[in-house]
Amino acid sequence: DAGVIQSPRHEVTEMGQEVTLRCKPISGHDYLFWYRQTMMRGLELLIYFNNNVPIDDSGMPEDRFSAKMPNASFSTLKIQPSEPRDSAVYFCASSSAQGMSNQPQHFGDGTRLSIL
Amino acid sequence: GNSVTQMEGPVTLSEEAFLTINCTYTATGYPSLFWYVQYPGEGLQLLLKATKADDKGSNKGFEATYRKETTSFHLEKGSVQVSDSAVYFCALMDSSYKLIFGSGTRLLVRP
Repeated sequence: DAGVIQSPRHEVTEMGQEVTLRCKPISGHDYLFWYRQTMMRGLELLIYFNNNVPIDDSGMPEDRFSAKMPNASFSTLKIQPSEPRDSAVYFCASSSAQGMSNQPQHFGDGTRLSIL
Repeated sequence: GNSVTQMEGPVTLSEEAFLTINCTYTATGYPSLFWYVQYPGEGLQLLLKATKADDKGSNKGFEATYRKETTSFHLEKGSVQVSDSAVYFCALMDSSYKLIFGSGTRLLVRP
């Protein structure tokens, strides 16, 4: 079975540019999560969706960040304009609602973002 | 609020040594508890889980027991291998199905 697929794996861009990160969840999973990982702050949940609808975006750092899930098999996290402090590894994860309280989240391999 | 506290790393061990990584949590109710492992350049992988008090999760020689009385979920392995070198994250699932992670503990196993 294919796992969670993220693209690109690495992104290097200059500050001020728009950055779009992509995620394809595991087929049949109806929860999708976006995380950010940095040395200083560890793993932070940015936003999560259920059945393509954003449920909790309280972790989104500011208005420069936005996330969408236009269908069950695709989600994007966009940063516009990007800043050097956005440099981090961004992970997407998905899980099934069935027996939700003990269902693990399955993580992609992440996108390593560097803003110069 | 809910939180997870892990012992700081790095933890450095020789091959075949006994491993303990401490994890304690603060939560309302009785959340499900998880250990995830992250190898270099990869995402997090579920290692084991426990959903209620006194449950023991186990996988690949690793074990952790859900201790309600001490609000702990310590990770143990009897004999570590070099291939176990990674970062280990303890996590709880809150009532909104969000995972709350600890800060992670890096394990280095030397041959």
